Amino acid sequence: EPEVTQTPSHQVTQMGQEVILRCVPISNHLYFYWYRQILGQKVEFLVSFYNNEISEKSEIFDDQFSVERPDGSNFTLKIRSTKLEDSAMYFCASSAQGIQPQHFGDGTRLSIL
Amino acid sequence: GIQVEQSPPDLILQEGANSTLRCNFSDSVNNLQWFHQNPWGQLINLFYIPSGTKQNGRLSATTVATERYSLLYISSSQTTDSGVYFCAADRGSTLGRLYFGRGTQLTVWP
Repeated sequence: EPEVTQTPSHQVTQMGQEVILRCVPISNHLYFYWYRQILGQKVEFLVSFYNNEISEKSEIFDDQFSVERPDGSNFTLKIRSTKLEDSAMYFCASSAQGIQPQHFGDGTRLSIL
Repeated sequence: GIQVEQSPPDLILQEGANSTLRCNFSDSVNNLQWFHQNPWGQLINLFYIPSGTKQNGRLSATTVATERYSLLYISSSQTTDSGVYFCAADRGSTLGRLYFGRGTQLTVWP
């Protein structure tokens, strides 16, 4: 069964550094998402992406965040200047259509020191 | 946004017992999914069930969309069922943004 793959599985970064989280969505999917989960809390939506542009973003997704689909397979989340509170598990998801089930990757655990 | 409430927050079972987890949502939805988060943090997709009933082995789920709730049934629980179970729903009018509940922490003892 096709999977969403995320790399790296764990990223440790100094505060203030830039970090790029990478995702390869399922190949025939058109809708892409990033979510995050702070330790012990619920999963929160960050951003959705369709047709090479952002469809919706949450209040968490401020100017420090950006997303890109640089080629036909990758979908990236960049945090420009990381803060301690950015430490979380980041999940990428994709779906064939907007109201179809979302398939989640295994997540990237981001630790900011 | 949509409110997603899950109950109970915690559930402790003996192996072999059955359980029911509930998810209430505050608005009509196009998408409702149940996930199991394992101890490694992975979100395992259990069901996509905006309405009706589905079964997969020992697990089944029912969503009554008109009454805005969904139930996840676990029968003959095993220690490997332990983890957090999340319900997530969209708002029905947006392009797929999922709102997650706070989850039910399930612990199954041998």
